[in-house]
Formats: sequence, structure tokens, C-alpha cells
Amino acid sequence: GENVEQHPSTLSVQEGDSAVIKCTYSDSASNYFPWYKQELGKRPQLIIDIRSNVGEKKDQRIAVTLNKTAKHFSLHITETQPEDSAVYFCAASWTGGSYIPTFGRGTSLIVHP
Amino acid sequence: NAGVTQTPKFRVLKTGQSMTLLCAQDMNHEYMYWYRQDPGMGLRLIHYSVGEGTTAKGEVPDGYNVSRLKKQNFLLGLESAAPSQTSVYFCASRAPVRGITDTQYFGPGTRLTVL
Repeated sequence: GENVEQHPSTLSVQEGDSAVIKCTYSDSASNYFPWYKQELGKRPQLIIDIRSNVGEKKDQRIAVTLNKTAKHFSLHITETQPEDSAVYFCAASWTGGSYIPTFGRGTSLIVHP
Repeated sequence: NAGVTQTPKFRVLKTGQSMTLLCAQDMNHEYMYWYRQDPGMGLRLIHYSVGEGTTAKGEVPDGYNVSRLKKQNFLLGLESAAPSQTSVYFCASRAPVRGITDTQYFGPGTRLTVL
């Protein structure tokens, strides 16, 4: 089955800095890679996703890049703000069949004012 | 449109007691999932359903049972609760539109403590 490794487990940055979270996956059949943000005590919510036919996708201050050859994808947050503080989860899945995404263990991002 | 809701929000059980967690969605989604979230472990799939009347085991199914009698509801049961089942439980649903969306929508979670 799919295995997703996520690093780092904790990331501390100053407000205005950039933050990068990296994930690797094992199954070359995976073709969909969502990122979720989970604020303390809240539910995970999708912030951005990328499909295997695209190398990069941006949405304002966040971007995701995908390297299919190396089987890794990354979340980039620029100009971080205190409200970006949360746990971020990556996931990998194949969108055919039953769609069972495999999640990374999460990265706790702390943005210091 | 309430999205995905979960009942109850909090519950404390004693070892050996049973309970049922209810997940409801009003988006007419076919796929529904139950996850547990423990510190440092991410989201681990317990059971899932690809449609009314169907269920399947996920990564950590032991000690849990599920039912999907109605499309909008997905129930998670604990027959004899154990302290190892202390966790936050999330339900999710999904309605794929091929090539357009594969998003999972999560419920607000149920925090369960087993003493």
C-alpha cells in the first residue's frame, strides 16, 4: 500500500518568513495530492491540491509543487502570518476505485509575531 | 446546507461500555469515511463506505463496527470500549467529479475518552 512521509514534524518561523513542508510517497499510481490545514480543536480543511499531470499550483500565498519522478511534493507558504499557525497534513491517493487517501503524520507550523 | 455533522461532540465512557457515533451529511455524497486522530499519528482510516449498504475495513478496524443503512448517515460503533480507543474521531464524505474535484469534507470531530 501507499506510504506517505511528512517532514518536518514541527516548523517554527518568524512572521513574514516562508515555510516549506515536504512529503514523499511510495506508490507511483498515486495521482492526487491534497493538503489540509487543521487549526487547534477544528476539523481538517482542504487548502490546496495538485494532480499528477501538473507540476505546480498556486493560490495567493500558498503553492504546491510535485515531482513525480522523485515521488515528492511540497507545500510552500510565503509571507507567513500568525493565522497560518496550524497543523498541516499532506495526503496521496489514486482517484480511481474507492479513493483511500494515505495521510502524512502532520507538521505543526508556528508563526511567531 | 450543514455539510458534515457529528454527534456527540464529546463523550466519556468507562471500559467495557458501548456507544455509537453518528455522522450525517446533506451533500448527497456517495463516499463516507471514519478516521481516528491521535497525537503525532495523523489521520488513520477505521472504516469506509462507497455507497448506501456498503462498508469496508480501513487501516485500524479492530474494535469498531459500522453501518450505512441510509446514504446520508454513517454510524461508528464501539461494542466494548477500551482505553486505547481514547481519541478524536472524524467523519468525512466525498463526491468525486472526475477530473474536477476529489475533496474530502470533514465533520467537526468527536472527542472520546475511555476511562
